Amino acid sequence: EIVMTQSPATLSVSPGERATLSCRASQSVSNNLAWYQQKPGQAPRLLISGASTRATGIPARFSGSGSGTEFTLTISSLQSEDFAVYFCQQYNNWPPTFGQGTTVEIK
Amino acid sequence: EVQLVESGGGLGQPGGSLRLSCEVSGFTFNNYAMSWVRQAPGKGPEWVADVSGTGLSTYYADSVKGRFTISRDNSKNTVYLQMNSLRGDDTAVYYCAKVPGPYFFDFWGRGTLVTVSS
Repeated sequence: EIVMTQSPATLSVSPGERATLSCRASQSVSNNLAWYQQKPGQAPRLLISGASTRATGIPARFSGSGSGTEFTLTISSLQSEDFAVYFCQQYNNWPPTFGQGTTVEIK
Repeated sequence: EVQLVESGGGLGQPGGSLRLSCEVSGFTFNNYAMSWVRQAPGKGPEWVADVSGTGLSTYYADSVKGRFTISRDNSKNTVYLQMNSLRGDDTAVYYCAKVPGPYFFDFWGRGTLVTVSS
């Protein structure tokens, strides 16, 4: 199965700053990559699919890029509600697999 | 509004069984595959099982194959996960999730906690 590796494990950012999260696949997944946000005690929420397509209702400050094995989630100006854990997931190969997550914390 | 509500979690004995349910509303249930995804404490999510919209096709992670059974009742807008031969590493929050077509998950329930311990 495809292994998804996220970095860094923890990212400390001040409100208003830009956050850049990385996700690497152990083999090419084309652009079949999704990003999720998870807050404590809540279910994951879909942010992006197709590597760069925002889900309904997701603010424009969230953007995704990349293809093949290297992907990036960028949050352009962090708001207080954006401090959370972010997961990537590939769905190019069976079974679908997730990364271990990046925690975005307040600096 | 799309809603998915899981139930049935709790404490299970090693070697025992539990049955999870997920009742959904807000979309045409039988048009979509549904999955169960679990998340152990402090870990990333792990896809567990999937059932097609008709219920005729099912798929399982290797870690649960032969022990878990996914099914659905389209008349009740409900998907189930029968968990047998429980093991300690099955301890996790179990989420049901809607599959929009490609295999990502666009809506999730709030989850139900399964703890396997004697």
